[in-house]
Amino acid sequence: NAGVTQTPKFRVLKTGQSMTLLCAQDMNHEYMYWYRQDPGMGLRLIHYSVGEGTTAKGEVPDGYNVSRLKKQNFLLGLESAAPSQTSVYFCASIKGYPAGEQYFGPGTRLTVT
Amino acid sequence: AQTVTQSQPEMSVQEAETVTLSCTYDTSESNYYLFWYKQPPSRQMILVIRQEAYKQQNATENRFSVNFQKAAKSFSLKISDSQLGDTAMYFCAFMIGGGTSYGKLTFGQGTILTVHP
Repeated sequence: NAGVTQTPKFRVLKTGQSMTLLCAQDMNHEYMYWYRQDPGMGLRLIHYSVGEGTTAKGEVPDGYNVSRLKKQNFLLGLESAAPSQTSVYFCASIKGYPAGEQYFGPGTRLTVT
Repeated sequence: AQTVTQSQPEMSVQEAETVTLSCTYDTSESNYYLFWYKQPPSRQMILVIRQEAYKQQNATENRFSVNFQKAAKSFSLKISDSQLGDTAMYFCAFMIGGGTSYGKLTFGQGTILTVHP
């Protein structure tokens, strides 16, 4: 099992450009999450999905969109990147109640200039 | 809403000694989980230990143990026989155990732990 993978690992964008981050998991997990981590802070939830075809907003959803067309994939989109979106992005998944543990991907470092 | 507070931005310890990292949380939920995650310089999030709120017994994993004080809403991590490889950022995290909010983690700000030889 590869676990949770993220593509790409690094990316530099100019202000106003768009991009999509891909998260894939091969554990047949129902729930998936996107977090961002800023310097000196813990991870904050952007969006999440409780199953294929569903998405919901987390704590800091503005400027991002997500889609979960397939159970194993969770995409995070930035339509018009801003410097404030410079961060490290983590994807995570969890099987479902009452498993408890989240499995994290390796992270994507995004810089917006 | 839940909050998690780690009041120690940085800690240091000598190799082979014991160190305790503090975490407090605030919630009105009765069914929840608490976690400690380790984030080394590779930035991979690694689960260290987990505690179910309904369990009175404190969780232990080898050199890692917790002191879970439910009434005080405190969840500290004790690392015994510290090793150089324990050097990392440590995050305390809270998760509601069921319902529509199940699975969403709320993190503290983190504590940077440095183990000195």
